[in-house]
Amino acid sequence: AQSVTQLGSHVSVSEGALVLLRCNYSSSVPPYLFWYVQYPNQGLQLLLKYTSAATLVKGINGFEAEFKKSETSFHLTKPSAHMSDAAEYFCAVSPPYGNNRLAFGKGNQVVVIP
Amino acid sequence: GAGVSQSPSNKVTEKGKDVELRCDPISGHTALYWYRQSLGQGLEFLIYFQGNSAPDKSGLPSDRFSAERTGGSVSTLTIQRTQQEDSAVYLCASSLPTANYGYTFGSGTRLTVV
Repeated sequence: AQSVTQLGSHVSVSEGALVLLRCNYSSSVPPYLFWYVQYPNQGLQLLLKYTSAATLVKGINGFEAEFKKSETSFHLTKPSAHMSDAAEYFCAVSPPYGNNRLAFGKGNQVVVIP
Repeated sequence: GAGVSQSPSNKVTEKGKDVELRCDPISGHTALYWYRQSLGQGLEFLIYFQGNSAPDKSGLPSDRFSAERTGGSVSTLTIQRTQQEDSAVYLCASSLPTANYGYTFGSGTRLTVV
């Protein structure tokens, strides 16, 4: 079964500083990987996804993530944090076939400090 | 429709009463998922539909929870004899037939049992 691990439920970052959210996955087959963002009182919105094409994936709002098979990781980064990036971020994994549902990590609550 | 629509957006109910939560997925999305999000608990999978069938209902926490989907479209999640621990945000998502495409989430229904 697939699973993801996100460490550190709360992440504080200064405005203008690098945002780095870590995601490590466990999968018996090459997975598909996703990052979602949830703003207060809203549903989850897809930020970006890896589907076995390019290992560096660019998403919305200046975010990107790199798939590293050797490290079983899919960390999310943004070079310069903005106040509007304050939200909760979820990593998710899916097999490329079979069981159809995503397995989500526990999420990172990002706080941006002015 | 243009997005996933959930109703009601908020529901306050008395302990012991039954509630119905509705999800209207994106037109053409054959897969539909229900998740529960409790404070500090992340996303808890409840049930997955492919068309009108539910091949995976392993996440339903008790027999008080049930869900159906009709016409390959609208889904209803029913909670009977609600308990205070049922208080949470219930999220619905839909996708094309495989999860590889990623989910589109609704804004959720916030259920409060008093």
